[in-house]
Amino acid sequence: DAGVIQSPRHEVTEMGQEVTLRCKPISGHDYLFWYRQTMMRGLELLIYFNNNVPIDDSGMPEDRFSAKMPNASFSTLKIQPSEPRDSAVYFCASSSTGPLGIEAFFGQGTRLTVV
Amino acid sequence: DAKTTQPTSMDCAEGRAANLPCNHSTISGNEYVYWYRQIHSQGPQYIIHGLKNNETNEMASLIITEDRKSSTLILPHATLRDTAVYYCIVRVSGSARQLTFGSGTQLTVLP
Repeated sequence: DAGVIQSPRHEVTEMGQEVTLRCKPISGHDYLFWYRQTMMRGLELLIYFNNNVPIDDSGMPEDRFSAKMPNASFSTLKIQPSEPRDSAVYFCASSSTGPLGIEAFFGQGTRLTVV
Repeated sequence: DAKTTQPTSMDCAEGRAANLPCNHSTISGNEYVYWYRQIHSQGPQYIIHGLKNNETNEMASLIITEDRKSSTLILPHATLRDTAVYYCIVRVSGSARQLTFGSGTQLTVLP
């Protein structure tokens, strides 16, 4: 397996534009997580899914952020409209339910810059 | 999930053992200790986890005190590629719940 795949790796957009980040989890994993990392706030959980259903979106900063998981192999995180303070690295991670809670595998991240 | 405390930064000479401490004095009986690391510009990477017994894998060893209030991650022969931020996380296992990351320890391996 190629691991968790995120696209694009880098995104530069103008304030007010819509941004869509994409994630392909590891095949067979039933949990998917979206994290955001900034220098000021570190790694923050935004939302996570189990079996394609959003379980906890309390970390989503505001209504401008939305996430979907239409099937087990694909998820999107959308920001509309984007603002400069959304600039961060966004990570997607996946894991599977097991007797000991197997570790989460992270993608390489998408570096978003909103100018 | 229990709160953890780690030093902000540590240095280690290349080839020597790196010992990274973590305090988790409020850990519950069903909470595991997990270690992840994040090399610059990459996503976090799982290292090891344990409940109460010491654990060892190809990457590191995890030593948990008998009262489980603290633990130490040991990289036996640190290399320059081990320079990273190391996160100690305590959480209930048995389900793949979300990870809550603190600020971690910046380990710098010096040549």
